[in-house]
Amino acid sequence: QVQLVESGGGVLQPGRSLRLSCATSGFSFSDHPMHWVRQAPGKGLEWVAVVSYDGSEKYYGDSVKGRFTLSRDNSKDTLHLQMNSLSPEDTAVYFCVRGLVRGVGSDYWGQGTLVTVAS
Amino acid sequence: QTVVTQEPSLTVSPGGTVTLTCASNTGPVSRAHHPNWFQQKPGQAPRPLIYGTTYKHSWTPARFSGSLLGDRAALTLSGVQPEDEADYYCLLYYDGGLRGVFGGGTKVTVL
Repeated sequence: QVQLVESGGGVLQPGRSLRLSCATSGFSFSDHPMHWVRQAPGKGLEWVAVVSYDGSEKYYGDSVKGRFTLSRDNSKDTLHLQMNSLSPEDTAVYFCVRGLVRGVGSDYWGQGTLVTVAS
Repeated sequence: QTVVTQEPSLTVSPGGTVTLTCASNTGPVSRAHHPNWFQQKPGQAPRPLIYGTTYKHSWTPARFSGSLLGDRAALTLSGVQPEDEADYYCLLYYDGGLRGVFGGGTKVTVL
């Protein structure tokens, strides 16, 4: 079955960097675009970024553009999110999300990893 | 800045019908925004319900349907069940389907 498992979350100080990973299994990873979505504690969902199936195209939400970098390793079925210059506003659960092959949207979501930025 | 707006909260009786809407401050919502809808219950990851305005996932109950209603995207729940009580989020895509923006979510209470 489709599995998406995020890792790399933790507690860190403002200005620091962190790299999240999403290990996937149960499907042909290289066929799908992949997204990150985040949710601050008690708040709504925020779309963060998307990478095309082959990694050639990447798009970011305005709040993370220039600070976050999305990458994928299709040989290891893994997605990464490099987050730099973190601020308390980046505190959230980060979800790894499988995009659709046909259509624009998503289907499977991971359970998320919590990133807390605090001094 | 792109803002997507949903009703903050709605209440519906069991067996009733409720329609949630999703508006964009950039103008009318159309199929080109590829409206997606998600359900989220406390402590759980969001569950996708609708994509491409009207298309259901294999797990989406038949009582959920997506549409365009005037200048908005809409999610209609017909024959509401107690287990439908949850937060519902819409997601619109911009810039040719490349950039997504979520609405603030609608809390649906079944009373």
